[in-house]
Amino acid sequence: QKEVEQDPGPLSVPEGAIVSLNCTYSNSAFQYFMWYRQYSRKGPELLMYTYSSGNKEDGRFTAQVDKSSKYISLFIRDSQPSDSATYLCAMSEGNFNKFYFGSGTKLNVKP
Amino acid sequence: GAVVSQHPSWVICKSGTSVKIECRSLDFQATTMFWYRQFPKQSLMLMATSNEGSKATYEQGVEKDKFLINHASLTLSTLTVTSAHPEDSSFYICSAPNGLAGSYEQYFGPGTRLTVT
Repeated sequence: QKEVEQDPGPLSVPEGAIVSLNCTYSNSAFQYFMWYRQYSRKGPELLMYTYSSGNKEDGRFTAQVDKSSKYISLFIRDSQPSDSATYLCAMSEGNFNKFYFGSGTKLNVKP
Repeated sequence: GAVVSQHPSWVICKSGTSVKIECRSLDFQATTMFWYRQFPKQSLMLMATSNEGSKATYEQGVEKDKFLINHASLTLSTLTVTSAHPEDSSFYICSAPNGLAGSYEQYFGPGTRLTVT
């Protein structure tokens, strides 16, 4: 079993739709939960970060962590074509510990 | 924000040759850097943790004699793929935590695409 599971998609939505991206994990020691966006042939860029359980909102993006279910989500409101990319979830047990990545979900927002 | 650079961004080499990839933290010091490999349509897989002044720590299944890592300074780590084979063709990405107490963030380089012919 992989440490982190993520549906690879692709996920295709019309512009303006609400997008829901999810990951599940098996390691209860994970405390740091991140979402990265990666454009083709580029390095990942950090979108959202959450420590432990709870919600965090930043503009059109909302990250949720449910540690009891070992489930995290990223919501994108009013999706734009520029949001088209691969979204990777990542998790870590501690500050400088290694990250465990999901396989990434490819999102396509159609104009 | 903090920047991590990689050089080269793309390299083509012949089978059997060695290739060196550099990872630099441009405006901060990094005692630790991480090297990842990403195959097409797959996630980042951690290969090794590079430690300044000491030996790298390799993940299970990664050949340390094939993927040589040298953390020469607080701003530079290098990954050398020795005796490269076509199956080593991949996207190699490094990252570095910013080192601030209580900080979670890792900064990723833009990646290096290696093609072995």
